[in-house]
Order: sequence, then structure tokens, then C-alpha cells
Amino acid sequence: DAGVIQSPRHEVTEMGQEVTLRCKPISGHDYLFWYRQTMMRGLELLIYFNNNVPIDDSGMPEDRFSAKMPNASFSTLKIQPSEPRDSAVYFCASSPMTLTYEQYFGPGTRLTVT
Amino acid sequence: TQLLEQSPQFLSIQEGENLTVYCNSSSVFSSLQWYRQEPGEGPVLLVTVVTGGEVKKLKRLTFQFGDARKDSSLHITAAQPGDTGLYLCAGRRDDKIIFGKGTRLHILP
Repeated sequence: DAGVIQSPRHEVTEMGQEVTLRCKPISGHDYLFWYRQTMMRGLELLIYFNNNVPIDDSGMPEDRFSAKMPNASFSTLKIQPSEPRDSAVYFCASSPMTLTYEQYFGPGTRLTVT
Repeated sequence: TQLLEQSPQFLSIQEGENLTVYCNSSSVFSSLQWYRQEPGEGPVLLVTVVTGGEVKKLKRLTFQFGDARKDSSLHITAAQPGDTGLYLCAGRRDDKIIFGKGTRLHILP
């Protein structure tokens, strides 16, 4: 069974441009999480979905960030407009409905905003 | 304020040595997980502990959950270069998983 799939793996863009990151979770998993990882702040939860419904977006840094999950097999994280401080590795993870929320991570998207 | 503090932040030791890394909090967690992350990849789940005082072993790795479910430790026996990576602990509190910043471990051959 394929793991979590993310695209693109690398993205370099100029400040002010729109960036869209994509994620395909593991089939049958009910939860989907978006994280951002930097050396300074570690792994931060941005938003998570349960059965395609956004449950907690308190980690989304600003209105420039938005996330959608139109169906059980696809989610996007959009940054518009992007800024240099958004440079980080963005991970998508999915989890089955268990008491312990084991996270299965994708390979990440390394975003560089110049 | 970091809810989960991991120590040490960095550790570099020789192959064959033993080591312990720690994950501490003032908060109680219903469960705690350990992940290992290698460069260019996402974290990979190693173990989940649920019961206070629980000990789990995974080959040369021993994981312990504190009696009060506020802290955890990871002990590696006879470290090998393949153990190199970033070790992250993550605790479940309410409906969230909270990650520590990790211990970056480097095993020298």
C-alpha cells in the first residue's frame, strides 16, 4: 500500500507568488494533518481534518494560509501571497481513527521563498 | 512555551556506546509516541506508549513512559551508525498531537 504522497517535493518561488502544496493520504485513514518544520520552531501543527472536515486550524499562522480537503483522498495547503519567512519543510500526515493518533508522514515539500 | 522538552538537543557518540534521551513535560498525556526522522524524509513512528510506567522494547531501543504520564525516555544499547537521526517525541493531549523539538543523534563509526 502506498504511503502518504506529497507534491511537489521542492518548490522555489518568489515573494508574493501563490504556492499550492498537495497531499494524498493513506486510503482509509480518517485524519489528515498539515505540519511545518523549521530548525527554530521544530514541527508545528498547522491544521487537521477529520473525515474531510477541518477540526482545528489554530496553528495556521495568518490569513495568507488556507487548507482544503475536498474529498477523502486529496488535500491542499495554499499560501497566498508567499513571504520569505514561509520557507520551511511542509509535511502532510494521515492517521487512522485510533485512540493514539499514530501519524504516517509524507516525504514533505521543501519550500523556499526568495 | 514548549509543552514537550527534549534533551539533549544534540548528541554525538561513538558506535557501541549506550545512550538515553529524554522527553519531559509538566502536562499529562494520554499517550506518547516516539518518531525517528532521517534527512530529507518525514518522521517514522517507532513506538506508542499508553500506560504510566509502561516499557516497550524494539530490538536495541527501550522506551519508557513515566508513571505520571508526563515524561518518557528512550534508551539505545550499543548504538550503531544506522541509529543516526532526529528523534522526536509526541504526546496526545485532548484531540491534538504535540511534538517536541527533537534530539539530533549522530553515531560515529
